[in-house]
Amino acid sequence: SYVLTQSPSVSVAPGQTARITCGGDDIGGKSVHWYRQKPGQAPVLVVYDDSDRPSGIPERFSGSNSGKTATLTINRVEVGDEADYYCQVWDRNSDHARVFGGGTKLTVL
Amino acid sequence: EVQLVESGGGLIQPGGSLRLSCAVSGFNVSTKYMSWVRQAPGKGLEWVSVFFSGGSRYYADSVKGRFIISRDNSKNTLFLHMNSLRADDTAVYYCAKEGLLNYFESWGQGTLVTVSS
Repeated sequence: SYVLTQSPSVSVAPGQTARITCGGDDIGGKSVHWYRQKPGQAPVLVVYDDSDRPSGIPERFSGSNSGKTATLTINRVEVGDEADYYCQVWDRNSDHARVFGGGTKLTVL
Repeated sequence: EVQLVESGGGLIQPGGSLRLSCAVSGFNVSTKYMSWVRQAPGKGLEWVSVFFSGGSRYYADSVKGRFIISRDNSKNTLFLHMNSLRADDTAVYYCAKEGLLNYFESWGQGTLVTVSS
């Protein structure tokens, strides 16, 4: 089955840029989606199809995907961005499984 | 406005059965791909099952043969029938509406299932 690998944690100061990566075999050939989850809340979609933003998500959130790594970039990080972030893809080769990365805890120092 | 409201969680003994419900408003559950996603305490997200609009259903290996996803179009509700429950099924279970590229665009608030004796 397909595996997505995320670093457990990323720390950044307010106003700086956070980059959260998601690794997978030939992930550049897949459509990658990203979710933000704050404690006690349901996840929220922040980027879909590698780099598109749902309505209501600030332009500070952007995504890219190439080769073996997809990246979620958060510019001008705010204290309110502190959360867990998950990447996700569809694995057509495994009974249409939807696969999540292990998640990255973003800490805003 | 899209709303998904889960219910049916609770404390259940190992080996028991439970049925979760996801009441949907703002769209017809029969016209979208609908999934269940779970999250064990302190752990990450795990996809559980999907019900395609056309009627096909798929499951994660961890629940295959034990869980059944279904829907009632007249009640606009998605269900997850969970059998032979194990301690490692303990989690918050979310239902989610999928977008065109198999992403989860709307989520419910979740319902907690605790499997313990």
